[in-house]
Amino acid sequence: GAVVSQHPSRVICKSGTSVKIECRSLDFQATTMFWYRQFPKQSLMLMATSNEGSKATYEQGVEKDKFLINHASLTLSTLTVTSAHPEDSSFYICSAKKEALAGDTQYFGPGTRLTVL
Amino acid sequence: AQSVAQPEDQVNVAEGNPLTVKCTYSVSGNPYLFWYVQYPNRGLQFLLKYITGDNLVKGSYGFEAEFNKSQTSFHLKKPSALVSDSALYFCAVRDMAGGYQKVTFGTGTKLQVIP
Repeated sequence: GAVVSQHPSRVICKSGTSVKIECRSLDFQATTMFWYRQFPKQSLMLMATSNEGSKATYEQGVEKDKFLINHASLTLSTLTVTSAHPEDSSFYICSAKKEALAGDTQYFGPGTRLTVL
Repeated sequence: AQSVAQPEDQVNVAEGNPLTVKCTYSVSGNPYLFWYVQYPNRGLQFLLKYITGDNLVKGSYGFEAEFNKSQTSFHLKKPSALVSDSALYFCAVRDMAGGYQKVTFGTGTKLQVIP
């Protein structure tokens, strides 16, 4: 299989604090990971594409200084929401891609529900 | 540019009946096409994909999808719906041209299977 985990699954924090979300590929190496944000009853919005050992590529409108992404190894990428505000409350989902497979299937983590008070 | 449309916000079907969830796409080159399913408060689970070859693709949980190039469609189907199929379904596309890695997701279709 291709399993992707996220930690934590749920986090509540105070406004102004920073929150780190981890995304791990458990049984494969992922040279590329993606971070998405999903609002209630809406589709996934791609925030950034993360390649191991290089800087993340952010989508238009996503603040790179606010959403820090680090792809430290072939199995781990982290998203840090800095100085969180209530409007950052959302469901954050990561995915990872096995480069060896044709067709770029993305395998998704279970998501992290962030609530900023 | 690439885009994908799921024209139905919700599809209701009786248990045991066939189901269809519609998807159309737009790409400049040839498409990679995907279907994912999402259960409440969970991430997306991969169902099936079309890369090349047979237009009828079979996937997980008895689902299949038919690639129709002339109609630029990739509708998801299942011969007999189960209550447990009730979930949110996303169609996604990636243009093969240009090496761009981004996959574009549709807005999702909520499938409700009625016992």
